[in-house]
Amino acid sequence: KQEVTQIPAALSVPEGENLVLNCSFTDSAIYNLQWFRQDPGKGLTSLLLIQSSQREQTSGRLNASLDKSSGRSTLYIAASQPGDSATYLCAVKRGSGGGADGLTFGKGTHLIIQP
Amino acid sequence: GAVVSQHPSWVICKSGTSVKIECRSLDFQATTMFWYRQFPKQSLMLMATSNEGSKATYEQGVEKDKFLINHASLTLSTLTVTSAHPEDSSFYICSAFRTASYEQYFGPGTRLTVT
Repeated sequence: KQEVTQIPAALSVPEGENLVLNCSFTDSAIYNLQWFRQDPGKGLTSLLLIQSSQREQTSGRLNASLDKSSGRSTLYIAASQPGDSATYLCAVKRGSGGGADGLTFGKGTHLIIQP
Repeated sequence: GAVVSQHPSWVICKSGTSVKIECRSLDFQATTMFWYRQFPKQSLMLMATSNEGSKATYEQGVEKDKFLINHASLTLSTLTVTSAHPEDSSFYICSAFRTASYEQYFGPGTRLTVT
């Protein structure tokens, strides 16, 4: 059974700092990995999706890497802003093919950016 | 594009009653939709996969007779929580799988409180 772990569970940093969120998964046979943002009481916003054949994806100040063989991914946030405060979730999709599989989520990293 | 809506956004019901939650893909057709549940400070857990025109596939430990899923059209899936109990109080989030992009798009969630 796939398990996804996110470290740290919570993180508080001053505005402007660069930071790294970590995600690990136990079964390397994944189809893709996705990072989401969730604001309190809200749904999910997709940030980055990395296919199993890719090593990284970038969007603005965000960069996500994937090391499938070791079961790890990192989300790098550059020049953090108070608006980045949210819970960040990592999720993997099973690699059984077809793509129409559910996601397995980690518990998230609760991020606070201090103004 | 790729917008998914849920209705209602929040609902309070009495113990023993049933509640229906709707998930709609507004600008694309989705033969597959997913239902997730999120307890406070916990991660999203996949409950079931909803397939248009066929029976839903439930994850281990999810009672199919309690959580009835109907995917009657390519843009609508419904989740009915039957004989709800306080322990069913949770945040329910659906997602719709878009074949063109091979991505899941998430709804804003429904907060269910059973009193």
